Formats: sequence, C-alpha cells, structure tokens
Amino acid sequence: GQNIDQPTEMTATEGAIVQINCTYQTSGFNGLFWYQQHAGEAPTFLSYNVLDGLEEKGRFSSFLSRSKGYSYLLLKELQMKDSASYLCAVSSNDYKLSFGAGTTVTVRA
Amino acid sequence: IAGITQAPTSQILAAGRRMTLRCTQDMRHNAMYWYRQDLGLGLRLIHYSNTAGTTGKGEVPDGYSVSRANTDDFPLTLASAVPSQTSVYFCASSDSIGGADTQYFGPGTRLTVL
Repeated sequence: GQNIDQPTEMTATEGAIVQINCTYQTSGFNGLFWYQQHAGEAPTFLSYNVLDGLEEKGRFSSFLSRSKGYSYLLLKELQMKDSASYLCAVSSNDYKLSFGAGTTVTVRA
Repeated sequence: IAGITQAPTSQILAAGRRMTLRCTQDMRHNAMYWYRQDLGLGLRLIHYSNTAGTTGKGEVPDGYSVSRANTDDFPLTLASAVPSQTSVYFCASSDSIGGADTQYFGPGTRLTVL
C-alpha cells in the first residue's frame, strides 16, 4: 500500500516563510504533486516533481529527493490568501494518485 | 469554459436510498476519477476510468458503481446509501492514460446520509 505523511497543521505570520514536508513510501514512483485546497473548495494544482531537485514557481517552490522518499513545499512571502490546506500526492506504478491527509496552513497578520 | 462540473452541490439523503452524483468535463480528457474526502483521511480514490468504455476500482469502491458511456460524463451511483458514505465527493479528470498527468478537480458534492 501507499503511505504518505505530512504534518496536520502549521501556523505562520504574514510575510514569513513556511516549509511543508511530505514523506512517502509507495509501490513505484512516477512523480509527486502538490495541491492547494481552500476551505469548501476543490483542490487546485500547484506543482509537480519527477526528478530530484527544486522547482520554483513564483512564491512557491517544491523540492524532491527520490532516494529519501521526501518532498517539501516552500511558501515564501506569505499572504493571508495562502491560508489553505496543502495536499501532497504521489503517482505510483499504476499512475493513480495517493494523497496525504493534507496540511492546514494558517497565516496570521 | 466550464472545466469540470458536478451536481448536485449538496444533498441530504435517507439511508437506503439510491443516489447518482453527476460529473461532466468539457476538456476532452481521457481519464476521470471519483474521490471522497473525509476529515483526517485526505482524498481516497473510489473508482476511475482511463478512457470511455472502461472503469476500474480504486481504494474504497464498496457500495459505489460507475459507468463511462462517453468521454465527457462519469456518474457515480450509490445503490443503497449508508451513513458511512457521508462525505464530500470530488470528480477529477486528466489528459493522459499512461502518464502522471495533472488531475483537475470539480467543485465537489457534499453528501449527508441520515
């Protein structure tokens, strides 16, 4: 089976940086996704990593280490609108996505 | 451009009743998926379809059935609803059959079974 772990909650101050870690153990690996989900809304795509290293996209960056089964999502210059849940999802051998339970980030003024 | 639509937005259902959740996409994506999202458990795959005419079971398929008569529509049916099926249901689609393509999600259906 798949095992994907990420912290339940994180709190940070507006303008700060937050790093959300995700560790995984899956049957095969075909990439790791990060999604953002605001309360009561659908998940929306943030990033995709399939090779080791850092992918930067504006204020958001995502890192992957396949050998360690580890990824993180880095949110810089936090804004109030970044308050949301962040979902780590791994694509395994059958290309289906397995999701972690999500990390709820609260940004405080 | 609508993307993915789901209906109804929310529903309260008596246990034992039959219910079909509708999902339609206009992106001509090959693959479609149904997930349920429960607090503390994250998104869990119920059923999927790699292409029109084919379906497969996900992690939690019991009590649910799907069909894929055409590319655009992927309804999810609860034959006889039970309270444990109270959840938020998301439909998603992606463009690829054999690759780790991005999934795009519908707005969700909030279902309460009493």
